[in-house]
Amino acid sequence: QLVLSQSPSASASLGASVSLTCVLSNGHSRAAITWHQKQPDKGPRYIMRVNSDGTHNRGDGIPDRFSGSSSGAERYLTISSLHSEDEADYYCQSWDSGVVFGGGTKLTVL
Amino acid sequence: QVQLVESGGGVVPPGGSQTLSCVASGFTFSHFGMNWVRQAPGKGLEWVAFIRHDGSDQYYADSVKGRVTISRDNSRNTVYLQMNSLRPDDTAMYYCAKVGGGYRIDAWGQGTPVTV
Repeated sequence: QLVLSQSPSASASLGASVSLTCVLSNGHSRAAITWHQKQPDKGPRYIMRVNSDGTHNRGDGIPDRFSGSSSGAERYLTISSLHSEDEADYYCQSWDSGVVFGGGTKLTVL
Repeated sequence: QVQLVESGGGVVPPGGSQTLSCVASGFTFSHFGMNWVRQAPGKGLEWVAFIRHDGSDQYYADSVKGRVTISRDNSRNTVYLQMNSLRPDDTAMYYCAKVGGGYRIDAWGQGTPVTV
């Protein structure tokens, strides 16, 4: 059974960069994941897909400040030049006989 | 562009039923699987149900199995979630979500609230 693990919180300063991590459980290190942003009182927003080889493709309208990468069982979302509107919850998602979500990381922009 | 518009949410007594709808546009609906995902107040995203592009197969989260049914009408570009025996812990915002390749979600609706 696939489990996606995320740190509950992260923070970084306005204009800085931050990397969020999603860890795939044993036996699933080759799975692709997707990243989603959830702001209060808004529907989730698809950000990108990250493959096991580190390739990624952003969703429509997602700025290139958002990038993805991969290392072993870890998948990363890196946000550079942080804006205040990047403050949100970020979820990773994959599939294992059903949709699987990570627990989410709350990003605070200082 | 892809648009997903949910409706049908509301206040329901415990034990009651509710049917949610999601109308899709901006893509060939019959080619893609669809999900329902929910978020309870103060909680994370929780997957509820998935249906294949042609309706041939459905998957459900254990928390709702036996109480909900996902269906679709490709002629109406609509996916449904019928919920029965509703409980207070089913209270949540319910989102419709489209899948792209490999069952990964690549588009979301704005949600419809259900309060039990």
